[in-house]
Amino acid sequence: ILNVEQSPQSLHVQEGDSTNFTCSFPSSNFYALHWYRWETAKSPEALFVMTLNGDEKKKGRISATLNTKEGYSYLYIKGSQPEDSATYLCAFHTGRRALTFGSGTRLQVQP
Amino acid sequence: GAGVSQSPSNKVTEKGKDVELRCDPISGHTALYWYRQRLGQGLEFLIYFQGNSAPDKSGLPSDRFSAERTGESVSTLTIQRTQQEDSAVYLCASSRQGGGGETQYFGPGTRLLVL
Repeated sequence: ILNVEQSPQSLHVQEGDSTNFTCSFPSSNFYALHWYRWETAKSPEALFVMTLNGDEKKKGRISATLNTKEGYSYLYIKGSQPEDSATYLCAFHTGRRALTFGSGTRLQVQP
Repeated sequence: GAGVSQSPSNKVTEKGKDVELRCDPISGHTALYWYRQRLGQGLEFLIYFQGNSAPDKSGLPSDRFSAERTGESVSTLTIQRTQQEDSAVYLCASSRQGGGGETQYFGPGTRLLVL
């Protein structure tokens, strides 16, 4: 059984704060690490797909890093805005079967 | 272009009834996935279709669950004799070819409540 863990479970920050979350995954049989944002009543939206150790990806104020040797990825949000409020999911892929998701980090940004 | 669509968006049913959930993937996507999220839990893989290959059913929780896909188009997930623990959001996703490094595009989900 693959174990993907995310921390913290939830986070409340003020508008303008920067924040980061952690995703831990098995360091063996790694193929790809996915990050998704899931807003209430909407579809999960892909943020990043990361495949190489040391990968860093950026999309606007959101960026992510990947360490496949130690089995973790960080997602950073710079200058959080209320519209960033969502659940952030990471998912691990071995190259076979389907994604194994973590339970997510629920972010609430207060104006 | 059109994204992944699912129907119904919400379904309330009585314990013991059968339900059928539908997914329309993005046109041209050969891979289709079903996941579910029960309250307080993460997204859980159910079944994976890739082109004309035999589906990967390894995530289906019991033999009450089944799914079909016609070619590379619509898929239906059927739950027979529903139980209260089947209450969840059922999500469908599709991707171009099913590779692990591909983005999966999700539908809005079907919220199933079994009374």
